[in-house]
Amino acid sequence: DIQLTQSPSFLSASVGDRVTISCRASQGISSYLAWYQQKPGKAPNLLIYAASSLQSGVPSRFSGSGSGTEFTLTISSLQPEDFATYYCQQLNSYPLFTFGPGTKVDIK
Amino acid sequence: EVQLLESGGGLVQPGGSLRLSCAASGFTFSNSAMSWVRQAPGKGLEWVSGIGTSDGSTYYADSVKGRFTISRDNSKNTLYLQMNSLRAEDTAVYYCAKVWSGYFNDYYYSYMDVWGKGTTVTVSS
Repeated sequence: DIQLTQSPSFLSASVGDRVTISCRASQGISSYLAWYQQKPGKAPNLLIYAASSLQSGVPSRFSGSGSGTEFTLTISSLQPEDFATYYCQQLNSYPLFTFGPGTKVDIK
Repeated sequence: EVQLLESGGGLVQPGGSLRLSCAASGFTFSNSAMSWVRQAPGKGLEWVSGIGTSDGSTYYADSVKGRFTISRDNSKNTLYLQMNSLRAEDTAVYYCAKVWSGYFNDYYYSYMDVWGKGTTVTVSS
């Protein structure tokens, strides 16, 4: 089974900061990775698919990169509405999906 | 507008059963694979089960295999999750999600592009 780890688990940042979240797969998954944002009490929302493609309607300050086992989600300038938990998800083993443990982005 | 609306959650005793429903609208339901994902209180996301389109192939996480059954009624645009032999550790918010599948940059991808708001299942005596 493919396992995903995320780092950091928690980060504290200020509005306007550049934020980077990492996701590592236990084996190579090419570009078969997605990123989701989840706000408290809400359903997850797709941000990035195919490792680096921005979902329609998602602000351009979000970007994804990486392939193989190392992936990164970057928020170029953190906005108040971006404080949330972010999950990576591997798509390589479809129809069996796996999520990373999540990274909570909090206000400094 | 594409929408998914879950229902059927509630409080159930350990060992009991519950059936969740997910009503879909705004897209051709029969053409989309679907999944259930759950989130225990204060925890992360866990994929639970998935179902294909025409052949209705079904898939389960090891944690629910043999206890949960996913199904769909394309005539009613509805996805179901029958949950039997429920345990305390099944307590969670259950989300249904639409799976987008297709080619992008010459590769075939499948990912969850639309989610419902969730329904809460509590297993407790």
